[in-house]
Amino acid sequence: DQQVKQNSPSLSVQEGRISILNCDYTNSMFDYFLWYKKYPAEGPTFLISISSIKDKNEDGRFTVFLNKSAKHLSLHIVPSQPGDSAVYFCAASAQAGNMLTFGGGTRLMVKP
Amino acid sequence: EAGVAQSPRYKIIEKRQSVAFWCNPISGHATLYWYQQILGQGPKLLIQFQNNGVVDDSQLPKDRFSAERLKGVDSTLKIQPAKLEDSAVYLCASSDTGELFPEAFFGQGTRLTVV
Repeated sequence: DQQVKQNSPSLSVQEGRISILNCDYTNSMFDYFLWYKKYPAEGPTFLISISSIKDKNEDGRFTVFLNKSAKHLSLHIVPSQPGDSAVYFCAASAQAGNMLTFGGGTRLMVKP
Repeated sequence: EAGVAQSPRYKIIEKRQSVAFWCNPISGHATLYWYQQILGQGPKLLIQFQNNGVVDDSQLPKDRFSAERLKGVDSTLKIQPAKLEDSAVYLCASSDTGELFPEAFFGQGTRLTVV
């Protein structure tokens, strides 16, 4: 039973355009959401997070949107850069600091 | 600030052998996690420690996997005996429970291949 799903295994975007990565969850107890970025042969690195009391959080080129009623969140990267090419994981927890449940990841390829 | 350290980076063993992985979390981080990431999937939590106590080990296959964090700092994850399906990257992560919304910081992982 996958509680966190990333339905697009891969996404290809032109440099300078917007990248939108999507994530859906089923557990209504989740109230804290994170995005991690992973390069080959490295561990995941934290990118941005959002708590359920917000519907948007921005950090530079990265914005995460949360739609609690739809149990959906998305990560927007604007503008996309070739260095953004990586696997992006969505993760959720029922309480900040508790175990993270990860989605299967989306491989983003930003073409020059 | 030093990151989460893991060793070894790579390990190849035959099925039914034993293997151990070591993790040193970020200094001061009370919470330590072990995740298993099978190729093409997201990381899956195996066990979570708070200091030297186990918070969650519900997904740890206890017949073959064990983990300890005796002094509340370093941790060891052991597999005995290994099966082919244990081939994966084993990720250690730590977080600072003093933060309001702590994120987990991950090590580079240990890639295990069971042949």
